[in-house]
Amino acid sequence: AQRVTQPEKLLSVFKGAPVELKCNYSYSGSPELFWYVQYSRQRLQLLLRHISRESIKGFTADLNKGETSFHLKKPFAQEEDSAMYYCALSGETSGSRLTFGEGTQLTVNP
Amino acid sequence: KAGVTQTPRYLIKTRGQQVTLSCSPISGHRSVSWYQQTPGQGLQFLFEYFSETQRNKGNFPGRFSGRQFSNSRSEMNVSTLELGDSALYLCASSSEGDTQYFGPGTRLTVL
Repeated sequence: AQRVTQPEKLLSVFKGAPVELKCNYSYSGSPELFWYVQYSRQRLQLLLRHISRESIKGFTADLNKGETSFHLKKPFAQEEDSAMYYCALSGETSGSRLTFGEGTQLTVNP
Repeated sequence: KAGVTQTPRYLIKTRGQQVTLSCSPISGHRSVSWYQQTPGQGLQFLFEYFSETQRNKGNFPGRFSGRQFSNSRSEMNVSTLELGDSALYLCASSSEGDTQYFGPGTRLTVL
């Protein structure tokens, strides 16, 4: 079975502060990990995926297979980063099926 | 490229009725997946269609069904609606093995 856990439902930081959104997963094979973001009144959109190893909007995430984690980090949070963030996993044999975590609502205060 | 579109955007039904939701994928995408989003359960996978065949199915009762047409457009149907079926239903399309792009969703309210 595959499972994604985001331990924080809510996270609040001040503008300019570092932010880390935690994501842990459970999967027996080699998963593909994603971070999706949903801004207010907008559709769910991909932020980044681990295989691309890109930095999008200043966010990075490293897959740690030993700790089965894929935490999302940004060194200096901006107010426009306020949104709902979902960590998601796709298994080797699951086709396009994504298993999502519960989501973390990030609020960046001025 | 036009994004994923879903119709209708909002729907109100009563218990016991059935409903059909529609999803038009991005041109060229052959995979369409459906998800249910609720405050209590979050985002849960319903099923995936690829080239008109159901390739994957989530853990939902048989009242939830879907299909895909030759132009990759997909529909999902929920029969005998229950109050707990009230949710935002999201559709996502992708090319094989590529990023999934989500639609705006259909907000279903069951009274």
